[in-house]
Amino acid sequence: ELKVEQNPLFLSMQEGKNYTIYCNYSTTSDRLYWYRQDPGKSLESLFVLLSNGAVKQEGRLMASLDTKARLSTLHITAAVHDLSATYFCAVEFSDSNYQLIWGAGTKLIIKP
Amino acid sequence: IAGITQAPTSQILAAGRRMTLRCTQDMRHNAMYWYRQDLGLGLRLIHYSNTAGTTGKGEVPDGYSVSRANTDDFPLTLASAVPSQTSVYFCASSPRAGYNNEQFFGPGTRLTVL
Repeated sequence: ELKVEQNPLFLSMQEGKNYTIYCNYSTTSDRLYWYRQDPGKSLESLFVLLSNGAVKQEGRLMASLDTKARLSTLHITAAVHDLSATYFCAVEFSDSNYQLIWGAGTKLIIKP
Repeated sequence: IAGITQAPTSQILAAGRRMTLRCTQDMRHNAMYWYRQDLGLGLRLIHYSNTAGTTGKGEVPDGYSVSRANTDDFPLTLASAVPSQTSVYFCASSPRAGYNNEQFFGPGTRLTVL
């Protein structure tokens, strides 16, 4: 079965702290995507990771992909309130006819 | 402005009525998708189209139909709406599934079936 699991599902943290969101998936893939969703809004693409060892950074967010471990991480450095959102990872599997399989999302609340 | 548009923004519908949600993209993307998002259930794929003229079933296709007559448009039809179809519906597109599947999302349609 094709599965994508995120953890934690909910995270409340203080501004200025660092934290990591994890995305595990069940079978071979080297294509993983991270999205952000603000409450009541649509999804916005954050990072596209297309190979083992890929690392992308944008501001206080950094995403990486380890295809051997079937794991991607989204690291938040010195969190600020504006990063409060729900973050989704999605994985593209050849066995799913290249459709994205989505994680359940991590709701991140950053308290000022 | 390039992107994806959806219509309507929101709709309240009586059970049993037929409804078509519209989706149009102007990015010349090959692939298009319909998702529903429900609280606690994440994002679920309803139908997809990897290229104009083809469609496929996603995780939750029952009660929905789609067509892809051209590259730009991908309407989603509920033939006879039921309350369990109350949800937020997102349309998305990507350049090419299996090659560049970064998906870009429309603003969503909030549908309530009474």
